[in-house]
Amino acid sequence: DIQMTQSPSSLSASVGDRVTITCQASRDISTYLSWYQQKPGKAPQLLIYDASNLETGVPSRFSGSGSETDFTFTISSLQPEDIATYYCQHYDSLPLTFGGGTKVEIK
Amino acid sequence: EVQLVESGGGLVQPGGSLRLSCTASGFIFSNFAMHWVRQAPGKGLEYVSAIRSNGGSTYYANSVKGRFTSSRDNSKNTLYLQMASLRAEDTAVYYCVRGGTAMVTILDYWGQGTLVTVSS
Repeated sequence: DIQMTQSPSSLSASVGDRVTITCQASRDISTYLSWYQQKPGKAPQLLIYDASNLETGVPSRFSGSGSETDFTFTISSLQPEDIATYYCQHYDSLPLTFGGGTKVEIK
Repeated sequence: EVQLVESGGGLVQPGGSLRLSCTASGFIFSNFAMHWVRQAPGKGLEYVSAIRSNGGSTYYANSVKGRFTSSRDNSKNTLYLQMASLRAEDTAVYYCVRGGTAMVTILDYWGQGTLVTVSS
């Protein structure tokens, strides 16, 4: 199974700050990586797929980059509505494993 | 609009069984692989199971293999997860998730989830 290591596990930032989350795969997954946002009590929502493609309707302040084993997720200007937990997930092979999640809070 | 609605969750004793259902609408259900993902209270996301669009192939995580069975009825646009020999560690919200035409692909739409609690 491919292991996904996500960091940090939590962060606190101010409104307007740039926020960066990293995700590392245990082996080469090309760009078969998604990022999800999960707000409390809600289902995860797909934000980014193929490592860098923005899902339709997702604000452009969200972005992703990377390939092979190292990936980055960025919120260019943190907004109050971005408070959530973010997960990376690969789709290179079964099982489709997730990173441990990053909880983003407002400072 | 794609919609996935899970049902069947509840309280069950250790060793018991439960069947979850997921009713799909807004897309051609028979064209898509479907998945189950669970989330224990306060924890992260755990991949559980996948089933091919025609139901001809399934995959299970090691943690549920031999105890859980995924099936589908494409005539009813419904996905099922039969859970047996339930353990306390199976307590979680179970999400039904749409995949793509292949089993290994993006998970793009999620249901709202149904809570399964395994406790005596």
